[in-house]
Amino acid sequence: DGGITQSPKYLFRKEGQNVTLSCEQNLNHDAMYWYRQDPGQGLRLIYYSQIVNDFQKGDIAEGYSVSREKKESFPLTVTSAQKNPTAFYLCASGFPGTAGYTFGSGTRLTVV
Amino acid sequence: AQSVTQPDIHITVSEGASLELRCNYSYGATPYLFWYVQSPGQGLQLLLKYFSGDTLVQGIKGFEAEFKRSQSSFNLRKPSVHWSDAAEYFCAVTGINNAGNMLTFGGGTRLMVKP
Repeated sequence: DGGITQSPKYLFRKEGQNVTLSCEQNLNHDAMYWYRQDPGQGLRLIYYSQIVNDFQKGDIAEGYSVSREKKESFPLTVTSAQKNPTAFYLCASGFPGTAGYTFGSGTRLTVV
Repeated sequence: AQSVTQPDIHITVSEGASLELRCNYSYGATPYLFWYVQSPGQGLQLLLKYFSGDTLVQGIKGFEAEFKRSQSSFNLRKPSVHWSDAAEYFCAVTGINNAGNMLTFGGGTRLMVKP
């Protein structure tokens, strides 16, 4: 079945460490997106990529980095520069156009 | 710039009662509109979408939404709510003039269902 997979579901990080969240899709979608979700704040866009080897900053990119070396994969690295990284992270993919997004099931990151 | 407003942060309804969740959008051209649902700790699932044509669209799980251009609204409705409908609901907008299909999301409405 086609879909989008995020791993791991839960992730714990010590302060000062970088951590990478995985996002893989087999939907042949061109575009991929990373969102951060905090209680009561809806979805905030971190980074997005519309084609391989290209990506753009979203509204809250500081402290995060991404890569898009393959169409299927769009990993997100939360760096030590991100001051408040504890949150729920959602990855999505879609075609530029009208179809909307397909979302992964999310990764909950906790800094300990 | 495009934007979406969901005026109600929380809504509580009794099981079996009807439901309407409000969504108002701002978009400079013909909008494409979406409703998503999110269960706790899960990703977002598409309920329904509107691109053109009939302004009343049917979705999954018995939901429907009506596009009203004159009111810039896309309200979500369900005639009879089930306890399993308790979740957070997000409205989103994009459009034909929006390169890259960038969705803009509202802040969400959390639905609670009383037995």
